[in-house]
Amino acid sequence: ETGVTQSPTHLIKTRGQQVTLRCSSQSGHNTVSWYQQALGQGPQFIFQYYREEENGRGNFPPRFSGLQFPNYSSELNVNALELDDSALYLCAGTFSGGTNEQYFGPGTRLTVT
Amino acid sequence: GQQVMQIPQYQHVQEGEDFTTYCNSSTTLSNIQWYKQRPGGHPVFLIQLVKSGEVKKQKRLTFQFGEAKKNSSLHITATQTTDVGTYFCAGWAIYNFNKFYFGSGTKLNVKP
Repeated sequence: ETGVTQSPTHLIKTRGQQVTLRCSSQSGHNTVSWYQQALGQGPQFIFQYYREEENGRGNFPPRFSGLQFPNYSSELNVNALELDDSALYLCAGTFSGGTNEQYFGPGTRLTVT
Repeated sequence: GQQVMQIPQYQHVQEGEDFTTYCNSSTTLSNIQWYKQRPGGHPVFLIQLVKSGEVKKQKRLTFQFGEAKKNSSLHITATQTTDVGTYFCAGWAIYNFNKFYFGSGTKLNVKP
């Protein structure tokens, strides 16, 4: 397996609420990226963190925010949830100085009602 | 809108037939990566190409990166049922280093 875990596996939230998704990556994954994948579509890049600093961001509003911690874990926070936020959220770790291969976690399935 | 498109969206083949998916980006990419996602699974890295015109092979899979670094292709020879899944291309925009794009994907179904 990839050595990347995510929690929770599934989550149901109500519109307007806030959610925190967690990712635990392998030792040495200095870079972590988060993606949103709607059903039947390709993953959409939310942002990337390198050594606890955001260093890349896709076309997502500021209510999507993240944190990366020194122990190779990270969080994705989404405020003011909207129905369209329902999706699979994937995190991926990358070793620095390697092939840029991204190791994906199994994802968190978020449903907003 | 979608920056990286793939065609076809779906492909159904008989086991043993060949398969090709094409990836086209509206922006020049610094590299191209290919991933495979099985139904219900997460993307799994297959390969990365960096150089213009680069061709790489992995057993029955051949990957190509276009000269202009805006397109790529994945060709599978003699498909097997284990090839079933969705194939995505992905890469960093060369003029916008902080954005990473995944393609729309090609879903491959292989009939035994």
